[in-house]
Amino acid sequence: EAGVTQFPSHSVIEKGQTVTLRCDPISGHDNLYWYRRVMGKEIKFLLHFVKESKQDESGMPNNRFLAERTGGTYSTLKVQPAELEDSGVYFCASSQGQGFGYTFGSGTRLTVV
Amino acid sequence: GENVEQHPSTLSVQEGDSAVIKCTYSDSASNYFPWYKQELGKGPQLIIDIRSNVGEKKDQRIAVTLNKTAKHFSLHITETQPEDSAVYFCAASTVYKLSFGAGTTVTVRA
Repeated sequence: EAGVTQFPSHSVIEKGQTVTLRCDPISGHDNLYWYRRVMGKEIKFLLHFVKESKQDESGMPNNRFLAERTGGTYSTLKVQPAELEDSGVYFCASSQGQGFGYTFGSGTRLTVV
Repeated sequence: GENVEQHPSTLSVQEGDSAVIKCTYSDSASNYFPWYKQELGKGPQLIIDIRSNVGEKKDQRIAVTLNKTAKHFSLHITETQPEDSAVYFCAASTVYKLSFGAGTTVTVRA
């Protein structure tokens, strides 16, 4: 089966610009998660979708971040406007059941200059 | 919230030797403990996991132990090979949210 696909793999934008990251989960996986690793620190939870519904967005840093999953398939994560501290690697993961069997994508490395 | 600490941050071992990575967690409700391996340019890949009702699990050269009383768990890699070089993450979870350690960069010297 195809894995979790993320694109772009890299993005370099200027402070104040907008960037949209996309994640295509494994087909049939209702659960989709976004995580972020900043500056070589631990990978941190951002939010969790079950189908098209946001179950938990407690990890979203602030209202500059907006995640959507229209139709319960792919998801987008928009950062608007981007700040320097938003730089990091954004990972998407999906699972069939909750809490186990995660498959991670390769991540999007975001650099804000 | 859950706090996971991972040690060491870097580990260099001679090929054929064993590598051990240790993690502690704070939330006694955590019941699922996966380990991930991340190679350059790839996302974290699950290599082994353990649930709270099990004390030890082994898969070929990889084993994980869990001490729920002390709230710590460890990854053991035996007979290390160059392809074991990567960043390893431990994580703890209650329902769906994974809390990760900061990662251990393992280098296997030929």
